[in-house]
Amino acid sequence: RKEVEQDPGPFNVPEGATVAFNCTYSNSASQSFFWYRQDCRKEPKLLMSVYSSGNEDGRFTAQLNRASQYISLLIRDSKLSDSATYLCVVNWTGWNTNAGKSTFGDGTTLTVKP
Amino acid sequence: EAGVAQSPRYKIIEKRQSVAFWCNPISGHATLYWYQQILGQGPKLLIQFQNNGVVDDSQLPKDRFSAERLKGVDSTLKIQPAKLEDSAVYLCASSSFWASSYNEQFFGPGTRLTVL
Repeated sequence: RKEVEQDPGPFNVPEGATVAFNCTYSNSASQSFFWYRQDCRKEPKLLMSVYSSGNEDGRFTAQLNRASQYISLLIRDSKLSDSATYLCVVNWTGWNTNAGKSTFGDGTTLTVKP
Repeated sequence: EAGVAQSPRYKIIEKRQSVAFWCNPISGHATLYWYQQILGQGPKLLIQFQNNGVVDDSQLPKDRFSAERLKGVDSTLKIQPAKLEDSAVYLCASSSFWASSYNEQFFGPGTRLTVL
């Protein structure tokens, strides 16, 4: 089983739709969680961190459920420009260092159509 | 603020040849990562440095891959000899030191390697 698993997608949605992605992780010692966005043939960029209480940034809402070990990303009112691959990232701190150890999911591809 | 720099951007080599990639992280970032991203997959961590020390290289194929970060600044990743399955994008990322597990990773544009 992979340490971080995401909905395989692809998700094809019309403009204005609401779409949600899930991500599950297996390491219960995981401490921090992120969603990154990766455009085609570009490098990943941070979309948002995921906090225990849930957090919102405009049309994007991230949720964390530690008991069930999953995080989610909700996109409301989808725009054409939201078309990208969304990568779930799970970090935990090593035993003797503050350096984070990161594991990326394989990503979920979203295509928003006119 | 300058971002993470990588070179070359593209490289085509034949199997069994050697190749080296270079990365210069954002100034002041103590943590540097090298990732391999195969088409259709997420980035896979190859090696992580904290300053010039290795934090994690558990997924680095040490029989053919090597990496160094002299003086805790820029870094090189080498493959010798290359195999067909090494065809991928090699991404370098950096983050600031303090509690880096909570910090954003900044990625360079990557080096796209094709092994023929």
